[in-house]
Amino acid sequence: DADVTQTPRNRITKTGKRIMLECSQTKGHDRMYWYRQDPGLGLRLIYYSFDVKDINKGEISDGYSVSRQAQAKFSLSLESAIPNQTALYFCATSDSWTGGANVLTFGAGSRLTVL
Amino acid sequence: SQQGEEDPQALSIQEGENATMNCSYKTSINNLQWYRQNSGRGLVHLILIRSNEREKHSGRLRVTLDTSKKSSSLLITASRAADTASYFCATDGWSGGTSYGKLTFGQGTILTVHP
Repeated sequence: DADVTQTPRNRITKTGKRIMLECSQTKGHDRMYWYRQDPGLGLRLIYYSFDVKDINKGEISDGYSVSRQAQAKFSLSLESAIPNQTALYFCATSDSWTGGANVLTFGAGSRLTVL
Repeated sequence: SQQGEEDPQALSIQEGENATMNCSYKTSINNLQWYRQNSGRGLVHLILIRSNEREKHSGRLRVTLDTSKKSSSLLITASRAADTASYFCATDGWSGGTSYGKLTFGQGTILTVHP
């Protein structure tokens, strides 16, 4: 099994629908992140969490919400999806106890299309 | 805004040639990392260089860091067709002696290595 698992891998939905992307990890890492990738724009940080009780907004959090249900689970929700949220979404984890290195382990991605 | 700017946006070379990619960033950093992404897949960590280091090697990879110019370069020597991928730099920001604990990515360089 993958260290960081994202579900679903692909999803097509309609404008206005609520969507949840889920992420679980077996790395035992305390930090989890959600990034969005658009062609030509690299990866942009949506939300991040340093532990179960710590949730922080990234640079593009508008229109998104997150839940850290356990150390190993971090879900991303789009309350009312819109077409410009069509993108490839990545969950990533890191371990705070690595001498400040903060190296990310990524999931395989969730491709979301909003019609 | 994006922390890292990468240059070139795309690079096409023949097998056996060297590939050099550059990254510039704007603020103080704790470390700078390079990641690789095969088409549409999750990113994989390649190498990390700390702010007090100037050069680092890992196999066919060589990374340099010039903090005075806020720039880094990734050199892949003796490239192979299997090196075809997108390469991203990512910075771990730093302020007041504390890492921000989150990475900011550049837009990436698309490398194509022709057999």
